[in-house]
Amino acid sequence: QKEVEQDPGPLSVPEGAIVSLNCTYSNSAFQYFMWYRQYSRKGPELLMYTYSSGNKEDGRFTAQVDKSSKYISLFIRDSQPSDSATYLCAMLASGSRLTFGEGTQLTVNP
Amino acid sequence: GAGVSQSPRYKVAKRGQDVALRCDPISGHVSLFWYQQALGQGPEFLTYFQNEAQLDKSGLPSDRFFAERPEGSVSTLKIQRTQQEDSAVYLCASSWASGVVTGELFFGEGSRLTVL
Repeated sequence: QKEVEQDPGPLSVPEGAIVSLNCTYSNSAFQYFMWYRQYSRKGPELLMYTYSSGNKEDGRFTAQVDKSSKYISLFIRDSQPSDSATYLCAMLASGSRLTFGEGTQLTVNP
Repeated sequence: GAGVSQSPRYKVAKRGQDVALRCDPISGHVSLFWYQQALGQGPEFLTYFQNEAQLDKSGLPSDRFFAERPEGSVSTLKIQRTQQEDSAVYLCASSWASGVVTGELFFGEGSRLTVL
């Protein structure tokens, strides 16, 4: 079983929809939770960074962490065609080794 | 430079050949990471440098993989006797901080290796 599970999709939504992306994990030592966005043939770029449980909002993006359920989410409000990308969750216990999910491919249709 | 630069962007190798992939991090960044991303998968950690010191190489899949960063800036990932299962995108990332926790990772666009 992988330490981090993420539904690979693909997910297709109309412009303006609310998008919900999720990951579950099994390693209770994870304390730092991140969401990266990766456009086709590009490197990942950091979207959101959360320490421990709770919510964090940045513009149209909201990240939620529920450590008791080992479940994290990313919500995108008023989705735009430019949001079309692969979204990767990533987690860290300590040190240097990020563990990524396999990514969810999102398409926002105009 | 403005971002992390990787070369070559694309590399085709015959099985058994040696390859070398280069990463030029953002100037002044202390930490440098290599990740391997297979098609349709998330990146998987290979190794981590803090300046010229390789502090974690636990993700290197075999002794055919070797990485160095001799002067604490440019890094090279070398793969000897390439196998088909080595086909992947190799991502380099750098950070101003020591480690991941306090510093954002900036990724390059990757080197796409295809082994025939």
